[in-house]
Amino acid sequence: NAGVTQTPKFQVLKTGQSMTLQCAQDMNHEYMSWYRQDPGMGLRLIHYSVGAGITDQGEVPNGYNVSRSTTEDFPLRLLSAAPSQTSVYFCASSSQRGAVLSGGEKLFFGSGTQLSVL
Amino acid sequence: SQQGEEDPQALSIQEGENATMNCSYKTSINNLQWYRQNSGRGLVHLILIRSNEREKHSGRLRVTLDTSKKSSSLLITASRAADTASYFCAKGLTGGGNKLTFGTGTQLKVEL
Repeated sequence: NAGVTQTPKFQVLKTGQSMTLQCAQDMNHEYMSWYRQDPGMGLRLIHYSVGAGITDQGEVPNGYNVSRSTTEDFPLRLLSAAPSQTSVYFCASSSQRGAVLSGGEKLFFGSGTQLSVL
Repeated sequence: SQQGEEDPQALSIQEGENATMNCSYKTSINNLQWYRQNSGRGLVHLILIRSNEREKHSGRLRVTLDTSKKSSSLLITASRAADTASYFCAKGLTGGGNKLTFGTGTQLKVEL
């Protein structure tokens, strides 16, 4: 079982460059999300999706775009990278149906992408 | 904005001792979850406690939830060097669906 797969693991960008962080899950989870982790800040929610074709903003969405064309994939796009976007990015998924029935579901996390913007 | 804080920020204990971490929050929750993160790795789910529950156990882990005080604690008994990691509480806010709001974490070091 692959679970949640993130690529790439490491990336260095120059200011102004664009790139896409990939996230795929094979658990048929409806809910997918992106977090960034910065020292002393914990994890902050960037964007999330409750199903194909549905996305919404989290706590820190500026500078990031997402789309959800399939249940499996939830890519995160940086349109014009800035040094403030240097961070570790985590994708996570969970069962939406399970949360509705039981009042909460655990998140499955990918192994992260370490991004540096110079 | 962060939903509450965890404390302590860092904790160093000897192998075999118990470790207690605390988490507070500010608004109503559906559930509260604890995750572990080993250095340079993704987060791994440990335990979920719902708002109508007061205590849950999983192996050497014990989680309590006091909704009147808006706080939770994670107890790791008989700690091992392999428990060295960062521990995060995550709040599932009422009406928030699957969204979780994470605290800043507690760094636990278990020394031999």
